[in-house]
Amino acid sequence: EAQVTQNPRYLITVTGKKLTVTCSQNMNHEYMSWYRQDPGLGLRQIYYSMNVEVTDKGDVPEGYKVSRKEKRNFPLILESPSPNQTSLYFCASSLSMGLTEAFFGQGTRLTVV
Amino acid sequence: AQSVTQPDIHITVSEGASLELRCNYSYGATPYLFWYVQSPGQGLQLLLKYFSGDTLVQGIKGFEAEFKRSQSSFNLRKPSVHWSDAAEYFCAVVPRYNQGGKLIFGQGTELSVKP
Repeated sequence: EAQVTQNPRYLITVTGKKLTVTCSQNMNHEYMSWYRQDPGLGLRQIYYSMNVEVTDKGDVPEGYKVSRKEKRNFPLILESPSPNQTSLYFCASSLSMGLTEAFFGQGTRLTVV
Repeated sequence: AQSVTQPDIHITVSEGASLELRCNYSYGATPYLFWYVQSPGQGLQLLLKYFSGDTLVQGIKGFEAEFKRSQSSFNLRKPSVHWSDAAEYFCAVVPRYNQGGKLIFGQGTELSVKP
């Protein structure tokens, strides 16, 4: 089954404690991205990757890092989380940039206290 | 400024009634247009998309959307709503000249369905 898998689904952490949210897709997609969803703001892109070792900033990259060492995986790293990063995070993948269907993971709800 | 706007934050309709969710965009060139649905606790699923051609597009789950260039709109419709349609709906665009190929989302419209 074609899917994007994120882990964990829920996470509560403390300010400053590094964390990683994993994302894996089984569709051999080149394009992957991370979004955060906040009430009244819709989804905003954090980072994206057009292929292995190719990543770039989206609209709200501050406080986040990503890596793309393998085509299937695109982890999101918060080196020093802060309360304003409390949000619902989605990973997405698509065959190419933008014009093909984006497949989304089920989301990771992160709370930073 | 370039933007995607969904004017309605929350809509409630009765089961069996018709539905229209509004989406307006502000871009110099007509962007590529999408509607996604987010069911509770789930990720987003593509309902339909418009790139060019026939301005009335059919999607999954009985949804359709009409592109109106003169109004810069891409409204989502369904003739008869089912209780399982309760979800959040996002209009999204990919600007034609955006090198990042980034999906840009509206704020979302939450749909509630009354029995």
